[in-house]
Amino acid sequence: DGGITQSPKYLFRKEGQNVTLSCEQNLNHDAMYWYRQDPGQGLRLIYYSQIVNDFQKGDIAEGYSVSREKKESFPLTVTSAQKNPTAFYLCASSLAGGYTFGSGTRLTVV
Amino acid sequence: GNSVTQMEGPVTLSEEAFLTINCTYTATGYPSLFWYVQYPGEGLQLLLKATKADDKGSNKGFEATYRKETTSFHLEKGSVQVSDSAVYFCALSDWGMNTGFQKLVFGTGTRLLVSP
Repeated sequence: DGGITQSPKYLFRKEGQNVTLSCEQNLNHDAMYWYRQDPGQGLRLIYYSQIVNDFQKGDIAEGYSVSREKKESFPLTVTSAQKNPTAFYLCASSLAGGYTFGSGTRLTVV
Repeated sequence: GNSVTQMEGPVTLSEEAFLTINCTYTATGYPSLFWYVQYPGEGLQLLLKATKADDKGSNKGFEATYRKETTSFHLEKGSVQVSDSAVYFCALSDWGMNTGFQKLVFGTGTRLLVSP
């Protein structure tokens, strides 16, 4: 079955460390997105990519980086520059206005 | 920019009660409108959508009508079940003026708690 796979489901990071969240899709979707979810704030867009080797900053890109070397993959790196990284991260992909979401990664700074 | 406003929760109901979750939007142009549902610890699932004014989206007993005159897309269900307990997000599709790229803009979410 086609879908989006995010891994890991839970991730713990020490302060000052970079961590990378994985997002893989086998839907053949061109566009991919990363959203951050905090309680009471809904989902906010971090980065998005329309095609391979191209990506754009969303509303809250500071402290994050991405790459899009393959159509299927859109990993997100949370860098030490992100001051408050504890959150739930959701990856999504889309084609012709239809969106599919992964099951999310919960990142906690310890 | 475009935005979505949802009623704050939690909304607490007894089983078989009528549900309304209000959603209003601000947008230029004619966005598509969506309701997504999120169960605990999971990602978002599309519940229903509407792509133009007066369209009604429906799924699993939930309905919402795209009202351009009131810029609203309220979610309704005639008889809720305990299994409907989740967080519900209203969203619109936002075409970037400069990028020509479509992305979703979400409301803050409304938690629904249904008791037996």
